[in-house]
Amino acid sequence: EIVLTQSPGTLSLSPGERATLSCRASQSISSTYLAWYQQKPGQAPRLLIYGASNRATGIPDRFSGSGSGTDFTLTISRLDPEDFAVYYCQQYGGSRPWSFGQGTKVEIK
Amino acid sequence: EVQVVESGGGLIQPGESLRLSCAASGFTVISNHMSWVRQAPGKGLEWVSVIYGGDTTYYADSAKGRFTISSDNSKNTVFLQMNSLRAEDTAVYYCARAGFASGLYYGMDVWGRGTTVTVSS
Repeated sequence: EIVLTQSPGTLSLSPGERATLSCRASQSISSTYLAWYQQKPGQAPRLLIYGASNRATGIPDRFSGSGSGTDFTLTISRLDPEDFAVYYCQQYGGSRPWSFGQGTKVEIK
Repeated sequence: EVQVVESGGGLIQPGESLRLSCAASGFTVISNHMSWVRQAPGKGLEWVSVIYGGDTTYYADSAKGRFTISSDNSKNTVFLQMNSLRAEDTAVYYCARAGFASGLYYGMDVWGRGTTVTVSS
């Protein structure tokens, strides 16, 4: 099973600042197999990015994804008040187990 | 409208069984990867199982041997049969649609609101 490790655990930032979230895989994965989600309290997750760098429908362009191999990044260029939430990376495992990272909480500083 | 609605959760005693349902509308489950994801109270997301093509299934190690995912294509519904439930299975269980085609994973783009399973004596 591929383990995804996200860092930092918590990111304290102010609205308007740039957020950089990391997701590291325990072994190399295809960038086409990596997705990012946002989750707010009491809500289901929402798909942000698929294929490491493709924004999902309706996602603002302040969200961007990048990376390859074992290191992937989600960047929020300028934090909007509605962006304070928990973010998860997730890998498609094919015939092997799929997995999520443990999450990064982006909180208001 | 494209959506999935979960049902079947509840309070159950350790060792007992429960079947969750995920009713889809606006798309067909047989044409998509349909996944179950759970979230224990105050914890992160945990992938549980996936089914696609009506009969191809995979499980997390925590679910293997106890949980069975299936689908009824005539009802456009996916099920998760959970046996020998343990306290650590307590969670909100989400059903989600995922896409995969031509080597590209399109992510889980449609999620339900979840159904809560509580395993306690």
